[in-house]
Amino acid sequence: AQRVTQPEKLLSVFKGAPVELKCNYSYSGSPELFWYVQYSRQRLQLLLRHISRESIKGFTADLNKGETSFHLKKPFAQEEDSAMYYCALRETSGSRLTFGEGTQLTVNP
Amino acid sequence: GAVVSQHPSRVICKSGTSVKIECRSLDFQATTMFWYRQFPKKSLMLMATSNEGSKATYEQGVEKDKFLINHASLTLSTLTVTSAHPEDSSFYICSARDSGTNTGELFFGEGSRLTVL
Repeated sequence: AQRVTQPEKLLSVFKGAPVELKCNYSYSGSPELFWYVQYSRQRLQLLLRHISRESIKGFTADLNKGETSFHLKKPFAQEEDSAMYYCALRETSGSRLTFGEGTQLTVNP
Repeated sequence: GAVVSQHPSRVICKSGTSVKIECRSLDFQATTMFWYRQFPKKSLMLMATSNEGSKATYEQGVEKDKFLINHASLTLSTLTVTSAHPEDSSFYICSARDSGTNTGELFFGEGSRLTVL
């Protein structure tokens, strides 16, 4: 069965510092990976997906099949990046999403 | 972007009563909707996949008779918590995928907080 692991429940950095939120997965097929973000008092929303290879709000994530990882990175964190981040995996040809336990990012001034 | 609306956002009920939560896709059609349960400081746990016009698919360990799901139209799915008990108190979130696209993106509702007294 597929599984998504986010080893850090809490992550705190200072404004302007680089930030990396770790995500590892286990899945026998070719997964699609996503990062979702939930800002305070807002609903969960898509941040980025690996197939798009895009940078959103300065964040990037590269799928590393060898290490089965999809870490989220940003070179210079901003205070408004403080939020809960969830890594998620979608099975090949499926529609179900499996979420990791989430990482609460706090960017301090 | 696509919007998913949940109602009610908060509900308090007595133990033993039933509560219905609605999930609507406002500007798109969704043949499939998903119901999640979120515990404090925990991840989202998929409860069931709601399929328009057919029976829902429940995840292992989720009681079908306790969490009734109906997906009667392409824009509405309902979750009914039957004979609610305090341990059912939680944050329930629905999500939907736009049937007209294949991006894999899920759009989430704002969630419904259920408190069972």
